[in-house]
Parts: sequence; structure tokens; C-alpha cells
Amino acid sequence: AQSVAQPEDQVNVAEGNPLTVKCTYSVSGNPYLFWYVQYPNRGLQFLLKYITGDNLVKGSYGFEAEFNKSQTSFHLKKPSALVSDSALYFCAVREGTGRRALTFGSGTRLQVQP
Amino acid sequence: SAVISQKPSRDICQRGTSLTIQCQVDSQVTMMFWYRQQPGQSLTLIATANQGSEATYESGFVIDKFPISRPNLTFSTLTVSNMSPEDSSIYLCSAGTDIAEQYFGPGTRLTVT
Repeated sequence: AQSVAQPEDQVNVAEGNPLTVKCTYSVSGNPYLFWYVQYPNRGLQFLLKYITGDNLVKGSYGFEAEFNKSQTSFHLKKPSALVSDSALYFCAVREGTGRRALTFGSGTRLQVQP
Repeated sequence: SAVISQKPSRDICQRGTSLTIQCQVDSQVTMMFWYRQQPGQSLTLIATANQGSEATYESGFVIDKFPISRPNLTFSTLTVSNMSPEDSSIYLCSAGTDIAEQYFGPGTRLTVT
């Protein structure tokens, strides 16, 4: 069975400061990892993914994430937070083969203060 | 990327009635899924919509309650049958190819009174 843990319900950061949203996962075989963002009353928007290759992946809106196989983590980062980054962030995982559906974490609300 | 539309965007329904939600993708995709989300909470997979065959349901979801159709590679419907207030939620359609990311529709906000 696959699972995702997002240990922080909320992350608060000042505008201009770096941000990190944590994610750890459990999956059989090679993981496909994803980050999505959800703004109020909107669907999920894809930010970035890790399938294979370079452990540091870059995505939309200046976000990046680092895949760490030994720690089974895939933390989302941004060097300088914007107020407009305030939203709900979901980490998701699926198996490389077999089950194709995504398993989502519980979500982390990011609040960027001006 | 795929653009996904859903209809209706929201609805208020009476207990005991049924609602069919439509999901349209602007390109051919391998996979389509239906999820449920309580506002501000995580997503729960209802089922995988299989083209031309019966959907594959997750534990806790059954075909009689959530019948799903997928007649072609770009369209799927989810029906919420014999609704009760516990079915009030946001229903999300997603689609993607085998190795790529999945894209999500804007969701259908259902309220059952």
C-alpha cells in the first residue's frame, strides 16, 4: 500500500523568506511523486513531479522539490515566498508500475505574511 | 497539459435524488479518475474510470451508489445516486497519461439537503 505524510497542517512564513513544505512517502517500487496547489474554490493545479533522474526538480511559479530516496522525502521549497503563494499544498505519490491512481497527503496550508 | 471541464460546477439537491457529473478532457488521455474532497481536506479516490468497461472502485465505494461511465478517451460521467447529506462534498475529475502528471477539473460542489 502507498501512503503520503505531510506532518504540518500549516506553515507560516514571511514574504521574501524561503519556505519549505514537508512530505514523506511510502510506496512499493519506484515512486512517482507530485506536488499540487489548490487555491480557494479552485481545482488542483500541478506544480512539479519527480519520475526519475535529477533529484532536484523545478516546477511552476519558482517552486522546486528535492527527492531523497534514503529519507523517502520529497519536500517542496521556494527561495523567496510571495503573499500570492498562500494556498493549500498537496503532496501525492503513485507507483511507477501497477496502480496508477494518486494517493494524496493530508495537505499543508501555507500562509505567507506581508 | 490537458484542460478538464466539469459540469455542473455546483448544485444543491434534495435527499433521495441523483446527480450526474460530466467530465470532458480536451485531449485523449489514458487514465481518468474520480475523487471526492471535503473543503480544505485531502482527496479520496472513488474509482478509476475505464474506457468501455466497468469502473474500478476503491474500498468503501460501490457501483450502485456511484455509477461511472467512460464511453471514450475524453469523456466520463459520475452519478451520485440516492443522495443523502453525507454525500455533500466536492467531486473532482482527473485525467492523465501513463507516465505523466494528472490534471484536475475545477470540481463540482454538491450540497444535499
